[in-house]
Amino acid sequence: EVQLVESGGGLVQPGGSLRLSCATSGFTFSDHYMDWVRQAPGKGLEWVGRSRNKAHSYTTEYAASVKGRFSVSRDDSKNSVYLQMNSLKIEDTAVYYCARLGNDPKDFQHWGQGTLVTVSS
Amino acid sequence: QAGLTQPPSVSKDLRQTATLTCTGNSNNVGYQGAAWLQQHQGQPPKLLFYRNNNRPSGISERFSASRSGNTASLTITGLQPEDEADYYCSAWDNSLSVVVFGGGTKLTVL
Repeated sequence: EVQLVESGGGLVQPGGSLRLSCATSGFTFSDHYMDWVRQAPGKGLEWVGRSRNKAHSYTTEYAASVKGRFSVSRDDSKNSVYLQMNSLKIEDTAVYYCARLGNDPKDFQHWGQGTLVTVSS
Repeated sequence: QAGLTQPPSVSKDLRQTATLTCTGNSNNVGYQGAAWLQQHQGQPPKLLFYRNNNRPSGISERFSASRSGNTASLTITGLQPEDEADYYCSAWDNSLSVVVFGGGTKLTVL
């Protein structure tokens, strides 16, 4: 069974940093792209960023709203993907989900339960 | 980044048919199609359809997806109370190299 479990959320002050983790199991992690998607309270889904697999050189992509502040990384030996969030803003407050993409087409096949990040003074 | 356009809400009677739309452009929906996700309150999203309109295993055949040009559609027949949820479309934008989401449609089953 595919499982994705996010952790690391919490309360952080504006300008602060936080690192989210997504531990996975039940599939060959190294084969898959992994994305982060967030959802502000009462709002819709917003894509945050992507980590491609080894076959695609672990390249990353980011939404314009987080580019230069957030960084996606992965550790295939730990079957985990990470989201490093720096220079946090109040508008970054959201539930952050990690999602596994399918191989073809690369759509959001499996989701974690999410972890809440609150940016507030 | 401009997102995909979805109607904010749709209301239909029990056992009726609902069709939800998702409009983008030639760089996203028109490029490879749109995937569809269902989200119940307090739950993570769930994939309903891949962008090629294929249904993952376990998804009811009451759900179907199609695309015409830059607009993707999700049709739900024989509406049931459990279909009441938020529905999102998503697509890869080949010009911007980002994923774009629609704003979501809240489906109410009366």
